[in-house]
Amino acid sequence: QMQLQESGPGLVKPSQTLSLTCDVSGGSINNVSYYWIWIRQHPVRGLEWIGYIFYSGITYYNPSLKSRVIFSIDTSQNQFSLKLTSLTAADTAVYYCAREERGSYVTDSWGQGLRVTVSS
Amino acid sequence: EVVMSQSPATLSVSPGERATLSCRASQNADINLAWYQQKPGQAPRLLIYGASTRESGVPARFSGSGSGTDFTLTISSLQSEDFAIYYCQQYNRWPRTFGQGTKVEIK
Repeated sequence: QMQLQESGPGLVKPSQTLSLTCDVSGGSINNVSYYWIWIRQHPVRGLEWIGYIFYSGITYYNPSLKSRVIFSIDTSQNQFSLKLTSLTAADTAVYYCAREERGSYVTDSWGQGLRVTVSS
Repeated sequence: EVVMSQSPATLSVSPGERATLSCRASQNADINLAWYQQKPGQAPRLLIYGASTRESGVPARFSGSGSGTDFTLTISSLQSEDFAIYYCQQYNRWPRTFGQGTKVEIK
């Protein structure tokens, strides 16, 4: 069974760039069957879908974050990554990586989540 | 984007009772609607997709219905492990969007 695991800093300063990685185990990320997803959960605003990256490198970003986010994928390391620039306190959240199955378009597997706090 | 609205925000239910949760989409979502359960400190867990199809391993007391803009999650007889927050998500359009959640608490 495929598992996903986020890694990265738990505390970042305002105006800096957040870099997170999702390691995928139990299956290949080089797979036409899945979109690789980032989702975040704000303490108050709830769940926000950030976007996806396909194994080929094709991306789709939520328009609300499009100007500040970049995804990348490393099929040799079986991982994908998120960079979020110009951080503010509003970016404080739990960040999840997940997968969406392309046939059903259902997000059926999530990482455990990584809490990120933006504070000086 | 498609705005998802859930009601009520909090539902107080006694164990063994039935719980009915609602989700409304601002635009047609067809049957591309999923329900997730989230417990403290955990990632959301997929319960229902396609508006009414239970994910493998999900107990039969969970059922989903609806299409278009109005959806319902029903828990027929609440067990202690069902007290949690439930989210709906549409996957009919990009970007995917979630409701704000319904907290099911012990009455």
